[in-house]
Amino acid sequence: AQTVTQSQPEMSVQEAETVTLSCTYDTSENNYYLFWYKQPPSRQMILVIRQEAYKQQNATENRFSVNFQKAAKSFSLKISDSQLGDTAMYFCASKNYGGSQGNLIFGKGTKLSVKP
Amino acid sequence: EPEVTQTPSHQVTQMGQEVILRCVPISNHLYFYWYRQILGQKVEFLVSFYNNEISEKSEIFDDQFSVERPDGSNFTLKIRSTKLEDSAMYFCASSEGGTGYEQYFGPGTRLTVT
Repeated sequence: AQTVTQSQPEMSVQEAETVTLSCTYDTSENNYYLFWYKQPPSRQMILVIRQEAYKQQNATENRFSVNFQKAAKSFSLKISDSQLGDTAMYFCASKNYGGSQGNLIFGKGTKLSVKP
Repeated sequence: EPEVTQTPSHQVTQMGQEVILRCVPISNHLYFYWYRQILGQKVEFLVSFYNNEISEKSEIFDDQFSVERPDGSNFTLKIRSTKLEDSAMYFCASSEGGTGYEQYFGPGTRLTVT
C-alpha cells in the first residue's frame, strides 16, 4: 500500500528566509504523481506544486521548488523568501498514474509558521 | 476564480442520525471526490464519482455512506446512521479529468457526532 510520511509536525521560519519541508513516500508503482498542497487557516487546500515521477527535472513554481529523489523516495518542498502568507498546513500527497481516478494519499501535514 | 463550495461549514448531530453534506463542484468539472480528516490524523480518501456513478471507493466507504449528484450542480455525501467515529472534517473536491488532473478542494464541513 502507498504511504506518505511527513516527519515534521510543525516548523517555523523567519520572513524572507528559506525553509524546507520533508516528505517521504512508499509505493511499488513506477509511475505516479507527487503533490504539495497548502491549507491556510480556515481556508481550502490549494495545490502548490506537482511532480510527475517519470520527470527527472525538479518542479518549480515561483518561490516553491521540490527536491525529488526517486531512488530515496523523497519529495521535499523548499520555500524561498518566505512570506507571512505562506503560514499554513502543508500536505504532501501521492497518486498512482492510471488506474484509480481519485485516490490521493496524504501525509499528516506540517504546520508552517512564518514569523515577521 | 471558480471555487468548490461546501455547506454547512459545521454540522452537529446525534449518534444514529442521518446527515447530508453538500458540495457544489466547479461547474465544468467531471470528477468528484470526498475525503475526510479525523482530528490529528491524515486526510483519507473516501470515494470518487464520475459519469453519475462511483468510480472508486475506499474501505472506509461502507454501506453507511452514499453519494449522489441530484441535480447536475450539487454533489452530496450522506451518512445514514452516524457514529461517534464519523466525527471529522469532510472535504469535497472536483477535477476536470481523472488521473493527473489537479483536484480542487472545498473548505470542508466539520461534522461533530455527539
